[in-house]
Amino acid sequence: KNEVEQSPQNLTAQEGEFITINCSYSVGISALHWLQQHPGGGIVSLFMLSSGKKKHGRLIATINIQEKHSSLHITASHPRDSAVYICAVRSTSGSRLTFGEGTQLTVNP
Amino acid sequence: DTAVSQTPKYLVTQMGNDKSIKCEQNLGHDTMYWYKQDSKKFLKIMFSYNNKELIINETVPNRFSPKSPDKAHLNLHINSLELGDSAVYFCASSLGGNTEAFFGQGTRLTVV
Repeated sequence: KNEVEQSPQNLTAQEGEFITINCSYSVGISALHWLQQHPGGGIVSLFMLSSGKKKHGRLIATINIQEKHSSLHITASHPRDSAVYICAVRSTSGSRLTFGEGTQLTVNP
Repeated sequence: DTAVSQTPKYLVTQMGNDKSIKCEQNLGHDTMYWYKQDSKKFLKIMFSYNNKELIINETVPNRFSPKSPDKAHLNLHINSLELGDSAVYFCASSLGGNTEAFFGQGTRLTVV
């Protein structure tokens, strides 16, 4: 079993819908990252968080350290949000990132 | 200016060849990484360097050898390429091991 599990694997939404992607992990972490990978392949870091909640535009990321769980929310989704969203954790034992398998999001107009 | 740049973006080569992928960052970061993304889009760390010193070396065949001539560069050399090496390779950098990572655009390697 992967140390980082994401759900759902695939998500299709209509433009304007509120979207939630979940990430659960099984190790002690120093930080959790949410990344976005567009169809062209480039990877962009969206958030790095170790507690609480962060917001950037229409994106919100939350983390519950006790429950080892994080969520990425997208409000008022748009077709340009279509991408793969990847959760990654940095363990307390080192500097490596361990990745979830990603969530393919498709937002239809 | 591109923060983390990799070259080439695409690489098609025959089995048995030796090839290199170059990575440079202009962010002043001291830690650089190589990740491999397989056909299922799953990312896995291969190597990590901090101040030109190897700090992470996952279970990667000896045919893969990273080289860091200075803090701003981390190149990946692959000997005797095999079909299973086909993947997208991403370089990334961060300031220390516990800060946001910046990724290059990836190098799609196809071994035929």
